[in-house]
Amino acid sequence: QSVLTQPPSISEAPGQRVTISCSGSTSNIGDNAVNWYQQLPGKAPKLLIYYDDLLPSGVSDRFSGSKSGTSASLAISGLQSEDEADYYCAAWDDSLNEEVFGGGTKLTVL
Amino acid sequence: QLQLQESGPGLVKPSETLSLTCSVSGGSISTYYWSWIRQAAGKGLEWIGRFYITGSTNYNPSLKSRVTMSVDTSKNHFSLKLSSVTAADTAVYYCARYTHYYDSGYFDYWGQGILVTVSS
Repeated sequence: QSVLTQPPSISEAPGQRVTISCSGSTSNIGDNAVNWYQQLPGKAPKLLIYYDDLLPSGVSDRFSGSKSGTSASLAISGLQSEDEADYYCAAWDDSLNEEVFGGGTKLTVL
Repeated sequence: QLQLQESGPGLVKPSETLSLTCSVSGGSISTYYWSWIRQAAGKGLEWIGRFYITGSTNYNPSLKSRVTMSVDTSKNHFSLKLSSVTAADTAVYYCARYTHYYDSGYFDYWGQGILVTVSS
């Protein structure tokens, strides 16, 4: 059971927009920044969004992040087949004193 | 471009110590925090811990009693030791750079990962 809760899977058609949610608590998302990572099949995770809504250099602006209270979201617009991957949210937890990850969301582009 | 590469035995016997090294190229290890993260087959990511060159460390409380992280600045690499391993420690182990940003931080560079299997 992960400290941060994500839907296990989500699917959408190419060209559409999808949103992945990440629910936490006041000790993690509520008090610290959220980062998102993309993990392509068989590959290492890659930083996608940092500090809630900032895009690292080289990451497509089809990806965006947001946060409100103890929940965060990752949005992907103009879905492409290459977006098929697992997506993880993460944040520091002040109570547990550790970095916590969501369980991951497997995105399927139909 | 910063690159990280994990190395070490791919097979460790139960009750023994898992030892991995992460070699850093394209940048100095003397700044930033450095971390280890693992992923069991078909499972999510689990943070193991992080350390800074000054010796400051944070370990996952559930693994703290078994984890040691260290650094060799002369070789620009850092290491992970996990003692008394069991089958539950079988996973792909990643090393990563942790960059502080204001009051938070993120993992911006990752190694490719190394599969470690615990089995007799």
